Amino acid sequence: SQQGEEDPQALSIQEGENATMNCSYKTSINNLQWYRQNSGRGLVHLILIRSNEREKHSGRLRVTLDTSKKSSSLLITASRAADTASYFCATDVGFQKLVFGTGTRLLVSP
Amino acid sequence: EAQVTQNPRYLITVTGKKLTVTCSQNMNHEYMSWYRQDPGLGLRQIYYSMNVEVTDKGDVPEGYKVSRKEKRNFPLILESPSPNQTSLYFCASSSWASAVTDTQYFGPGTRLTVL
Repeated sequence: SQQGEEDPQALSIQEGENATMNCSYKTSINNLQWYRQNSGRGLVHLILIRSNEREKHSGRLRVTLDTSKKSSSLLITASRAADTASYFCATDVGFQKLVFGTGTRLLVSP
Repeated sequence: EAQVTQNPRYLITVTGKKLTVTCSQNMNHEYMSWYRQDPGLGLRQIYYSMNVEVTDKGDVPEGYKVSRKEKRNFPLILESPSPNQTSLYFCASSSWASAVTDTQYFGPGTRLTVL
């Protein structure tokens, strides 16, 4: 099974609402990153949170990390139609290895 | 403009016909990597390279080869493609040798179909 698993697999909301997606992982990590992928295109880095950090903000993004529960959450506030994309967490498990989850598909309707 | 380029973007081929997907980055990054993306499986790492002439296997290296003769280029070679290699392929690069702690920059992807 995957090191990183996102939940939910799909999320549909209206513009202006907040979107929350979660990532659970299995092994110890050095850091956790979130990426966005627009349909069929390359991934774009959003934010990185290190294992000794608990929360990080970047614009409308808020990421939390709970290493005791081996989980992270990504909150997008005041969602826009342009936020429609798939979101992936990626965990740095050491040995030059970044392991991606299976992603959450977010649909933001106008 | 800083970018990772891949060619071709789309490719349909037949079983057994050798092919190469090129990847090039203009950011002077040491670390480069290839991933494949399949529905329900997310991205899986095929090979990575920490610097010129240094490559290593990722999670799914079978059926693939890579080379790193120049810092900017990291081609992916399928010597004898098979239908189970039909996938969306991404090249990525980042700036440190132990680079997974840093942001990875992704190419636009190559959609490969093997008939």
